[in-house]
Amino acid sequence: EAGVAQSPRYKIIEKRQSVAFWCNPISGHATLYWYQQILGQGPKLLIQFQNNGVVDDSQLPKDRFSAERLKGVDSTLKIQPAKLEDSAVYLCASSLGRENTEAFFGQGTRLTVV
Amino acid sequence: DAKTTQPTSMDCAEGRAANLPCNHSTISGNEYVYWYRQIHSQGPQYIIHGLKNNETNEMASLIITEDRKSSTLILPHATLRDTAVYYCIVRVSKGGSEKLVFGKGTKLTVNP
Repeated sequence: EAGVAQSPRYKIIEKRQSVAFWCNPISGHATLYWYQQILGQGPKLLIQFQNNGVVDDSQLPKDRFSAERLKGVDSTLKIQPAKLEDSAVYLCASSLGRENTEAFFGQGTRLTVV
Repeated sequence: DAKTTQPTSMDCAEGRAANLPCNHSTISGNEYVYWYRQIHSQGPQYIIHGLKNNETNEMASLIITEDRKSSTLILPHATLRDTAVYYCIVRVSKGGSEKLVFGKGTKLTVNP
């Protein structure tokens, strides 16, 4: 079974530039999560989708971050404009979306803002 | 949301059992306890979860106290590859969709 695919693996940009990350979840998984993990901390949930609808985006900095999940499959997370403090690993995860099922994570995209 | 408390770090000798504690004293009756681990430079990996009863799979065992206020993850024979950050998570339900909220975790170091 293919896992959660993310790209790119690494990205370096200058502050004020924009960047986009892509996630392809496991086939058939209804729930998709985006997390931000700053070095030395646990992952922080940014946004959660159920199919193509947003379930929770309470921790998403909406003035600069946006995410979409067209057709309820792939998802993109965008930052515009980036700040130095956005340097982190961005993790995508997916699950079946039913109660009591585990989530599977991708390897993440490491973003460095200089 | 129920919070969890874990020690910041632990050490274990290779081949010995690693027992990782977690306190979740505010857990609700329908909330599950999940354990994930994160090996350096990788995404978190699911280990095991449970509600009331003890659980065991090929990776680990989960012991949940009768009052459900704490649990212990047991790696029966730790290897160097088990060195990772271990996260204890109480799975919260919201509007029919389950959030997955991570704390700071326990950094387990398995020593040769």
